[in-house]
Amino acid sequence: DTGVSQDPRHKITKRGQNVTFRCDPISEHNRLYWYRQTLGQGPEFLTYFQNEAQLEKSRLLSDRFSAERPKGSFSTLEIQRTEQGDSAMYLCASSLGTAEQYFGPGTRLTVT
Amino acid sequence: RKEVEQDPGPFNVPEGATVAFNCTYSNSASQSFFWYRQDCRKEPKLLMSVYSSGNEDGRFTAQLNRASQYISLLIRDSKLSDSATYLCVVNKGDSSYKLIFGSGTRLLVRP
Repeated sequence: DTGVSQDPRHKITKRGQNVTFRCDPISEHNRLYWYRQTLGQGPEFLTYFQNEAQLEKSRLLSDRFSAERPKGSFSTLEIQRTEQGDSAMYLCASSLGTAEQYFGPGTRLTVT
Repeated sequence: RKEVEQDPGPFNVPEGATVAFNCTYSNSASQSFFWYRQDCRKEPKLLMSVYSSGNEDGRFTAQLNRASQYISLLIRDSKLSDSATYLCVVNKGDSSYKLIFGSGTRLLVRP
């Protein structure tokens, strides 16, 4: 399968714990985007990378959130000290430049 | 006001019906326009890009009116498998090309 992959697909954690998600983009895609989606809403932009450079972060991305793409390939999104309001689907998408974005299956986070 | 507005539906139609969805967007700098389809608890999947001249892909026709900042999707001869949420999407209009999503319109096609 040469699409975008994400791991884990589901994560249940207790409030206050740290979690880390991984995204592997389509191999030749140089841009990687993170979005978050809550029930009944469309996805909302969090941050994006062009190669290894993080070029923009949304104001939704509080100080507890950090994202990396160290070698311009896979990316990780870490949430520290999780809160119940962090419960959502975290979606990763990749694109070749400004072409269409293709989404991974998402990581569904539940904070109890 | 949301940057992309859609009627949430649901639209409940019989198989074979024609159904149309509309959306409006507020950012006149947006340059790229899309319809994505999302099944329950799955990721959004690109259905089609939308061009000013209008474009068609099988039973699906998309239209863009830049002057009115309005995008439409027409589905002809609806199938049960078309049941899903349809997301109207525009890009931000800056160098990021980040996507701005509507909340989606839910379609239910009944036998």
